[in-house]
Amino acid sequence: QKEVEQDPGPLSVPEGAIVSLNCTYSNSAFQYFMWYRQYSRKGPELLMYTYSSGNKEDGRFTAQVDKSSKYISLFIRDSQPSDSATYLCAMRGNAGNMLTFGGGTRLMVKP
Amino acid sequence: SQTIHQWPATLVQPVGSPLSLECTVEGTSNPNLYWYRQAAGRGLQLLFYSVGIGQISSEVPQNLSASRPQDRQFILSSKKLLLSDSGFYLCAWSSRQETQYFGPGTRLLVL
Repeated sequence: QKEVEQDPGPLSVPEGAIVSLNCTYSNSAFQYFMWYRQYSRKGPELLMYTYSSGNKEDGRFTAQVDKSSKYISLFIRDSQPSDSATYLCAMRGNAGNMLTFGGGTRLMVKP
Repeated sequence: SQTIHQWPATLVQPVGSPLSLECTVEGTSNPNLYWYRQAAGRGLQLLFYSVGIGQISSEVPQNLSASRPQDRQFILSSKKLLLSDSGFYLCAWSSRQETQYFGPGTRLLVL
């Protein structure tokens, strides 16, 4: 079993929909949680960076962490075709900078 | 602000040829540096990381090597490429106790 599980998709939604992307993990030592967006043939771009449990909002994006369930989510409101990309979750413990990544979910937002 | 560069952007090489990919970071000092490989449709595989000049840790035994000749320069090399070395190579940097930021990537095709 992988340390971080992420549904590879593809997830196809109509423009304007609310998108929910999720990751589950098994290592209770993870404290920092990240979401990256990766367009085709580009490097991953950091979208959200959160610590411990709770919610963090940035524009149309909301990151949610539930450490008791070992479950994190990224919500995208009013999704746009430009949101079509692969979304990678990543996480780490308190010490060091080594990240454990999910395999990524491919999202397609159709006009 | 910090910027990370990778070159070349795309490379097509014959089997058995040497390889040198370069990564440089601007706007920060003494970063941690990372090399990842991303196979088509798959997640990120950490290859090497470095916490300082001349300090390289290898995560996966393979046909590749890394060097860090200067504080903000990270090089990925191979003496003889294999077909299985094809992929998307990503360099990333982080400061102490922070998350990682990725470069634009190099697409390598070995024929």
